[in-house]
Amino acid sequence: AQTVTQSQPEMSVQEAETVTLSCTYDTSESDYYLFWYKQPPSRQMILVIRQEAYKQQNATENRFSVNFQKAAKSFSLKISDSQLGDAAMYFCAYSEPSGAGSYQLTFGKGTKLSVIP
Amino acid sequence: DTGVSQNPRHKITKRGQNVTFRCDPISEHNRLYWYRQTLGQGPEFLTYFQNEAQLEKSRLLSDRFSAERPKGSFSTLEIQRTEQGDSAMYLCASSLPTSAKNIQYFGAGTRLSVL
Repeated sequence: AQTVTQSQPEMSVQEAETVTLSCTYDTSESDYYLFWYKQPPSRQMILVIRQEAYKQQNATENRFSVNFQKAAKSFSLKISDSQLGDAAMYFCAYSEPSGAGSYQLTFGKGTKLSVIP
Repeated sequence: DTGVSQNPRHKITKRGQNVTFRCDPISEHNRLYWYRQTLGQGPEFLTYFQNEAQLEKSRLLSDRFSAERPKGSFSTLEIQRTEQGDSAMYLCASSLPTSAKNIQYFGAGTRLSVL
C-alpha cells in the first residue's frame, strides 16, 4: 500500500518569510498524482497545489511552489511571502488510478503551520 | 456552484444508536468519496461512488457502515450500532467525470461524537 510521510508535525514562520514543508511517499507506480491540501481550523480542506508524476516541471501557484523529486519520492511545499491566512494544517496526499476508476487520496498526518506576525 | 455540502455539521449520539450523514456534491461531479479523519491524523478513504454505483470500499468500512448514492446525486453514510471508536470527522469529496484533473473538492465535514 502507498504511504505518505510528513515528518514535521509543526512548523512556524515569520510573516513575509519563506517556509518549506516536507513530504515523502512510497509507491511502485509510475503514474500518479501528488497534492498539497490546506485545512484551516474548523474549515473545509482546500487544494493548494497539484503535481502530475509524469511532468518534470515543478508546479507553482502564486506564492506556493513544490520541489518534486521523483527518484527520491519527495514532494515538498514552499510558501513564499507567508501571510497570516496561511496558518493551517497542511496535508500532503497521493493518488493513483485504481482498477475501479477511483482516484482515492492517501494522506500524510499533516503539518500544522503557524504564522508569526 | 455552491461547493460540497454536508449535513449535519455536528452529531452527538449515544453508543449503540444509528446515525446518518448526508453529502451533496458539486453538481455535475459524478465521482463522490467518503473519508474519515480522526484527531491528529490525515483523512482516510472509506468508499467511492461513480454515479450511483459504489465501486470501491476500504477495509475501514465495517459491516456497520453503509453508504448509498441513489440517482447519482446526494450520498448518505449510515453507521449502525455506533461505538466510541466511530468518533471522528466524516468528510465527503466530489470530483469531475474526467480523470485529467483528478481534483477532489471537500465539504466541511460532519463531526461525530459517540458518548
